[in-house]
Amino acid sequence: GAVVSQHPSWVICKSGTSVKIECRSLDFQATTMFWYRQFPKQSLMLMATSNEGSKATYEQGVEKDKFLINHASLTLSTLTVTSAHPEDSSFYICSAVILAGGSYNEQFFGPGTRLTVL
Amino acid sequence: AQRVTQPEKLLSVFKGAPVELKCNYSYSGSPELFWYVQYSRQRLQLLLRHISRESIKGFTADLNKGETSFHLKKPFAQEEDSAMYYCALSIGGGGNKLTFGTGTQLKVEL
Repeated sequence: GAVVSQHPSWVICKSGTSVKIECRSLDFQATTMFWYRQFPKQSLMLMATSNEGSKATYEQGVEKDKFLINHASLTLSTLTVTSAHPEDSSFYICSAVILAGGSYNEQFFGPGTRLTVL
Repeated sequence: AQRVTQPEKLLSVFKGAPVELKCNYSYSGSPELFWYVQYSRQRLQLLLRHISRESIKGFTADLNKGETSFHLKKPFAQEEDSAMYYCALSIGGGGNKLTFGTGTQLKVEL
C-alpha cells in the first residue's frame, strides 16, 4: 500500500509551451501533497504545499503563476509548468501524506518526472 | 529558517565496517528529524524518524539536541546499503513540509 504515482515519468517540450505533471495517491486519500524540485546531484527543494480544495501554498522564491498547482481531488494533484524555459528543466517529485495521527503522519514519494525544455 | 547540513557528499566504506552518516541541523524550536534513503533507480523512502527510536535495517539515529545532530549509524555495512541518504527536518511531524539536506552517497565496497 501507500503508492504514489507520477505521470509522465519524463517529458521533453519546446520552450514556451506548458507541461502538466500529475501526482496520484493510488490506494489512499491525501488531503495534502507536496511538490519538490531536484537539480542534478542536489537535494530536494520544496516548491509548494498542495491542499485539496484550497489554494496551494508556495515557498519563497517560487513563482505561483509559473508553477500552477491544482489539488482537485483527494487522490490527484497536478503541477503545470507554464511557458516553460530551459531553466525549468529539472526533476520534479511529489509526495502525498498519510494521516496516521500527529507526529506519525508520513509522506510517500512519487518516482519523479524528468522535464527537459529545449 | 531551518537548515539541514550533511557535510559528506560521498562516503565509501568496506563491507563489514561501521558506518556513520553525519547530519546537523539548525532550528530554534523542537523539530522532528528523519532519514530518507534512495536506492538506485528507486523512489525516496523513509528509513527512520527520531521519535520512533527504532532500528531499521540495522541503522539507528539518535537526536542530540545539544549538538543539534542526528547522525545515522550502522555497526556493520552491507553491500545493499549502498544508496543516497538524505537527512530531513520537519516542524510539526512527518506530514508537514520537509527541509532536506544535500544528501550523502554511501558506497559499500567488497
